[in-house]
Amino acid sequence: AQKITQTQPGMFVQEKEAVTLDCTYDTSDPSYGLFWYKQPSSGEMIFLIYQGSYDQQNATEGRYSLNFQKARKSANLVISASQLGDSAMYFCAMREGPAGATNKLIFGTGTLLAVQP
Amino acid sequence: GAVVSQHPSRVICKSGTSVKIECRSLDFQATTMFWYRQFPKKSLMLMATSNEGSKATYEQGVEKDKFLINHASLTLSTLTVTSAHPEDSSFYICSASSGETYEQYFGPGTRLTVT
Repeated sequence: AQKITQTQPGMFVQEKEAVTLDCTYDTSDPSYGLFWYKQPSSGEMIFLIYQGSYDQQNATEGRYSLNFQKARKSANLVISASQLGDSAMYFCAMREGPAGATNKLIFGTGTLLAVQP
Repeated sequence: GAVVSQHPSRVICKSGTSVKIECRSLDFQATTMFWYRQFPKKSLMLMATSNEGSKATYEQGVEKDKFLINHASLTLSTLTVTSAHPEDSSFYICSASSGETYEQYFGPGTRLTVT
């Protein structure tokens, strides 16, 4: 079974609108972490946001927020007020086990976001 | 934030030769470094995990004799692709972790082309 599933290979959004990128995960470990990364065409991996499995509140970082629904095992990324520079590949990733013990990440297949003017 | 560098950023080599890629943590001590491989328009696939001073742990299906990983210091890990073939052409990305928090810092990647 896939550990991390991103069902949207591509998404379009109009500039200044909000967009939600889906991510579901599968783990039996009670301690885990969920990450979102942005990868522009240059190839670098840019960290966006992190959610720990025991965090009570949804993570937010500027225009990025993570809609964490633990019972559904989903960790969707919400980007508000989209900008042209947000056009990139977005990856959801998971770490199984507590932070520090091993930071090995499992990545989803990614969603290519295109922001239209 | 923490900075991880990779060298070279791009390399072209001939089939049968070996190529070394360096990954350095510039402003922190990386007890663990990870090596990923990414094919065009695909996800990152973890190849191996290396801990300073010990042998790397390779993921299933990754040939350890072909992809030699050395993590000789807390700031440097190297990946050597031995006897490279055109199918080894890919984007190789390293990441580094101090092991103290959840954070993992990625290098800018190395694009390898084997002709």
